[in-house]
Amino acid sequence: NAGVTQTPKFRILKIGQSMTLQCTQDMNHNYMYWYRQDPGMGLKLIYYSVGAGITDKGEVPNGYNVSRSTTEDFPLRLELAAPSQTSVYFCASSYPTSGANTGELFFGEGSRLTVL
Amino acid sequence: GQNIDQPTEMTATEGAIVQINCTYQTSGFNGLFWYQQHAGEAPTFLSYNVLDGLEEKGRFSSFLSRSKGYSYLLLKELQMKDSASYLCAVRDQNAGNMLTFGGGTRLMVKP
Repeated sequence: NAGVTQTPKFRILKIGQSMTLQCTQDMNHNYMYWYRQDPGMGLKLIYYSVGAGITDKGEVPNGYNVSRSTTEDFPLRLELAAPSQTSVYFCASSYPTSGANTGELFFGEGSRLTVL
Repeated sequence: GQNIDQPTEMTATEGAIVQINCTYQTSGFNGLFWYQQHAGEAPTFLSYNVLDGLEEKGRFSSFLSRSKGYSYLLLKELQMKDSASYLCAVRDQNAGNMLTFGGGTRLMVKP
Protein backbone atom coordinates (compact mmCIF):
# COMPACT_ATOMS: atom_id res chain seq x y z
CA ASN A 1 0.00 0.00 0.00
CA ALA A 2 1.73 3.20 -1.19
CA GLY A 3 -0.27 5.66 0.98
CA VAL A 4 0.46 9.28 0.04
CA THR A 5 3.04 9.81 -2.71
CA GLN A 6 4.59 13.19 -3.51
CA THR A 7 6.86 14.18 -6.38
CA PRO A 8 9.41 15.60 -6.78
CA LYS A 9 11.31 15.07 -3.52
CA PHE A 10 13.72 17.92 -4.24
CA ARG A 11 13.61 20.88 -6.62
CA ILE A 12 15.52 24.09 -7.12
CA LEU A 13 13.66 26.92 -8.86
CA LYS A 14 14.70 30.35 -10.07
CA ILE A 15 12.67 33.37 -9.01
CA GLY A 16 9.65 33.74 -11.28
CA GLN A 17 9.56 30.13 -12.46
CA SER A 18 6.47 27.98 -12.14
CA MET A 19 6.10 24.40 -11.06
CA THR A 20 3.61 21.84 -9.83
CA LEU A 21 4.06 19.54 -6.86
CA GLN A 22 2.21 16.30 -7.45
CA CYS A 23 0.37 14.38 -4.74
CA THR A 24 -1.59 11.17 -5.05
CA GLN A 25 -3.13 8.86 -2.45
CA ASP A 26 -4.48 5.35 -2.79
CA MET A 27 -6.46 5.13 0.46
CA ASN A 28 -9.69 6.54 -1.00
CA HIS A 29 -9.57 9.42 1.48
CA ASN A 30 -12.03 12.25 0.90
CA TYR A 31 -9.86 14.94 2.48
CA MET A 32 -6.52 16.11 1.16
CA TYR A 33 -4.23 18.90 2.36
CA TRP A 34 -1.09 20.81 1.50
CA TYR A 35 1.12 22.09 4.31
CA ARG A 36 4.44 23.92 4.28
CA GLN A 37 7.04 23.63 7.01
CA ASP A 38 9.80 26.18 7.41
CA PRO A 39 13.00 25.17 9.27
CA GLY A 40 12.38 24.53 12.97
CA MET A 41 8.72 25.44 12.65
CA GLY A 42 5.38 23.70 12.68
CA LEU A 43 3.15 23.02 9.70
CA LYS A 44 1.11 25.75 8.06
CA LEU A 45 -1.98 24.83 6.01
CA ILE A 46 -1.87 26.17 2.43
CA TYR A 47 -4.97 24.63 0.82
CA TYR A 48 -7.27 21.73 1.50
CA SER A 49 -9.99 19.77 -0.25
CA VAL A 50 -12.92 17.84 1.20
CA GLY A 51 -13.65 16.00 -2.03
CA ALA A 52 -13.23 16.01 -5.79
CA GLY A 53 -14.14 19.39 -7.26
CA ILE A 54 -13.95 21.23 -3.90
CA THR A 55 -10.98 23.23 -2.66
CA ASP A 56 -10.54 25.83 0.08
CA LYS A 57 -7.85 28.20 1.29
CA GLY A 58 -5.95 27.49 4.43
CA GLU A 59 -3.82 29.79 6.55
CA VAL A 60 -1.15 30.71 3.93
CA PRO A 61 -2.64 30.36 0.41
CA ASN A 62 -1.01 33.37 -1.32
CA GLY A 63 1.21 32.40 -4.23
CA TYR A 64 -0.29 28.93 -4.61
CA ASN A 65 -3.13 27.24 -6.46
CA VAL A 66 -4.66 23.78 -6.27
CA SER A 67 -7.12 21.60 -8.10
CA ARG A 68 -8.91 18.37 -7.22
CA SER A 69 -10.29 16.72 -10.31
CA THR A 70 -10.14 13.19 -8.85
CA THR A 71 -10.29 11.69 -5.36
CA GLU A 72 -6.70 10.46 -5.69
CA ASP A 73 -4.83 13.55 -6.91
CA PHE A 74 -4.28 16.98 -5.37
CA PRO A 75 -1.54 18.94 -7.19
CA LEU A 76 -0.14 22.20 -5.79
CA ARG A 77 0.95 24.86 -8.27
CA LEU A 78 3.41 27.69 -7.70
CA GLU A 79 2.92 30.28 -10.45
CA LEU A 80 5.71 32.81 -9.82
CA ALA A 81 8.21 31.32 -7.42
CA ALA A 82 9.62 33.65 -4.76
CA PRO A 83 12.41 33.08 -2.20
CA SER A 84 9.75 33.18 0.55
CA GLN A 85 8.38 29.92 -0.87
CA THR A 86 11.56 28.06 -0.01
CA SER A 87 10.24 25.39 2.32
CA VAL A 88 9.38 21.72 2.74
CA TYR A 89 5.93 20.90 1.41
CA PHE A 90 3.86 18.05 2.79
CA CYS A 91 0.76 16.59 1.23
CA ALA A 92 -1.60 14.70 3.53
CA SER A 93 -4.92 12.90 3.36
CA SER A 94 -7.57 11.70 5.80
CA TYR A 95 -11.05 10.38 6.23
CA PRO A 96 -13.54 12.84 7.72
CA THR A 97 -14.01 12.56 11.48
CA SER A 98 -16.95 10.31 12.31
CA GLY A 99 -17.69 7.73 14.96
CA ALA A 100 -14.54 5.85 15.85
CA ASN A 101 -12.59 7.47 13.04
CA THR A 102 -10.20 10.06 14.43
CA GLY A 103 -9.62 11.73 11.09
CA GLU A 104 -5.86 11.48 11.58
CA LEU A 105 -3.70 12.79 8.77
CA PHE A 106 -1.45 10.53 6.71
CA PHE A 107 1.50 12.42 5.28
CA GLY A 108 3.60 12.04 2.18
CA GLU A 109 7.39 12.10 2.50
CA GLY A 110 7.66 15.77 1.65
CA SER A 111 9.02 17.89 -1.20
CA ARG A 112 11.98 20.16 -0.45
CA LEU A 113 11.78 23.29 -2.60
CA THR A 114 14.47 25.96 -2.85
CA VAL A 115 13.86 29.21 -4.74
CA LEU A 116 17.00 31.14 -5.69
CA GLY B 1 -8.01 31.93 15.36
CA GLN B 2 -5.98 29.48 17.36
CA ASN B 3 -2.90 29.74 19.52
CA ILE B 4 -0.90 26.61 20.28
CA ASP B 5 2.16 26.74 22.51
CA GLN B 6 4.75 24.08 23.24
CA PRO B 7 8.38 24.30 24.35
CA THR B 8 10.89 24.65 21.54
CA GLU B 9 13.46 22.18 22.82
CA MET B 10 13.87 19.59 25.56
CA THR B 11 16.69 17.27 26.56
CA ALA B 12 16.34 14.00 28.47
CA THR B 13 18.41 10.95 29.32
CA GLU B 14 18.01 7.49 27.86
CA GLY B 15 15.76 5.35 30.10
CA ALA B 16 14.14 8.36 31.75
CA ILE B 17 10.61 9.81 31.48
CA VAL B 18 9.85 13.10 29.73
CA GLN B 19 6.66 15.16 29.57
CA ILE B 20 6.03 17.54 26.66
CA ASN B 21 3.33 20.11 27.33
CA CYS B 22 0.98 21.81 24.90
CA THR B 23 -1.44 24.63 25.66
CA TYR B 24 -4.03 25.87 23.22
CA GLN B 25 -6.77 28.41 22.76
CA THR B 26 -9.52 27.59 20.29
CA SER B 27 -13.18 28.50 19.84
CA GLY B 28 -14.43 25.11 18.66
CA PHE B 29 -12.20 22.36 20.08
CA ASN B 30 -12.79 19.04 18.36
CA GLY B 31 -9.76 16.92 19.14
CA LEU B 32 -6.03 17.10 19.80
CA PHE B 33 -3.34 15.11 18.05
CA TRP B 34 0.30 14.38 18.77
CA TYR B 35 2.65 13.60 15.88
CA GLN B 36 6.27 12.50 15.88
CA GLN B 37 8.61 13.83 13.21
CA HIS B 38 12.18 12.62 12.77
CA ALA B 39 14.56 15.02 11.05
CA GLY B 40 14.01 15.07 7.30
CA GLU B 41 10.96 12.83 7.49
CA ALA B 42 7.18 13.18 7.45
CA PRO B 43 5.14 13.48 10.65
CA THR B 44 3.63 10.22 11.89
CA PHE B 45 0.56 9.91 14.10
CA LEU B 46 1.12 9.12 17.77
CA SER B 47 -2.08 9.81 19.67
CA TYR B 48 -5.50 11.44 19.70
CA ASN B 49 -7.54 12.90 22.56
CA VAL B 50 -11.02 14.35 22.32
CA LEU B 51 -12.28 13.67 25.85
CA ASP B 52 -10.57 14.57 29.12
CA GLY B 53 -8.18 12.03 30.52
CA LEU B 54 -5.24 9.85 29.70
CA GLU B 55 -4.77 7.71 26.59
CA GLU B 56 -2.01 5.13 26.88
CA LYS B 57 -0.23 3.44 23.99
CA GLY B 58 2.78 1.42 25.04
CA ARG B 59 5.59 3.75 26.13
CA PHE B 60 3.62 6.82 25.04
CA SER B 61 0.66 8.41 26.83
CA SER B 62 -1.26 11.58 26.09
CA PHE B 63 -3.40 13.58 28.50
CA LEU B 64 -6.06 16.19 27.82
CA SER B 65 -7.86 18.77 29.97
CA ARG B 66 -10.33 20.70 27.82
CA SER B 67 -11.26 23.13 30.60
CA LYS B 68 -7.60 24.14 30.97
CA GLY B 69 -6.78 24.04 27.25
CA TYR B 70 -3.88 21.73 28.09
CA SER B 71 -2.39 18.49 26.91
CA TYR B 72 0.82 16.62 27.52
CA LEU B 73 2.65 13.77 25.85
CA LEU B 74 4.46 11.45 28.22
CA LEU B 75 7.30 9.29 26.94
CA LYS B 76 8.56 6.55 29.25
CA GLU B 77 11.74 4.44 29.10
CA LEU B 78 13.28 6.84 26.62
CA GLN B 79 15.30 5.39 23.78
CA MET B 80 17.78 7.13 21.52
CA LYS B 81 15.38 6.67 18.60
CA ASP B 82 12.86 8.89 20.42
CA SER B 83 15.03 11.89 19.50
CA ALA B 84 12.64 13.76 17.19
CA SER B 85 10.26 16.69 17.04
CA TYR B 86 6.85 16.25 18.64
CA LEU B 87 4.02 18.26 17.13
CA CYS B 88 0.81 19.13 18.96
CA ALA B 89 -2.16 19.83 16.66
CA VAL B 90 -5.69 20.96 17.46
CA ARG B 91 -8.80 20.46 15.35
CA ASP B 92 -11.30 23.30 15.34
CA GLN B 93 -14.86 22.66 14.24
CA ASN B 94 -15.25 26.41 13.64
CA ALA B 95 -12.43 26.25 11.10
CA GLY B 96 -13.74 23.50 8.87
CA ASN B 97 -12.40 20.84 11.25
CA MET B 98 -8.92 21.59 10.00
CA LEU B 99 -5.82 20.89 12.11
CA THR B 100 -3.64 23.74 13.33
CA PHE B 101 -0.15 22.70 14.38
CA GLY B 102 2.05 24.08 17.12
CA GLY B 103 5.68 24.87 16.38
CA GLY B 104 6.85 21.47 17.64
CA THR B 105 9.14 20.44 20.49
CA ARG B 106 12.55 19.09 19.53
CA LEU B 107 13.49 16.34 21.96
CA MET B 108 17.11 15.24 22.28
CA VAL B 109 17.73 11.98 24.10
CA LYS B 110 21.26 11.63 25.49
CA PRO B 111 23.00 8.43 26.57
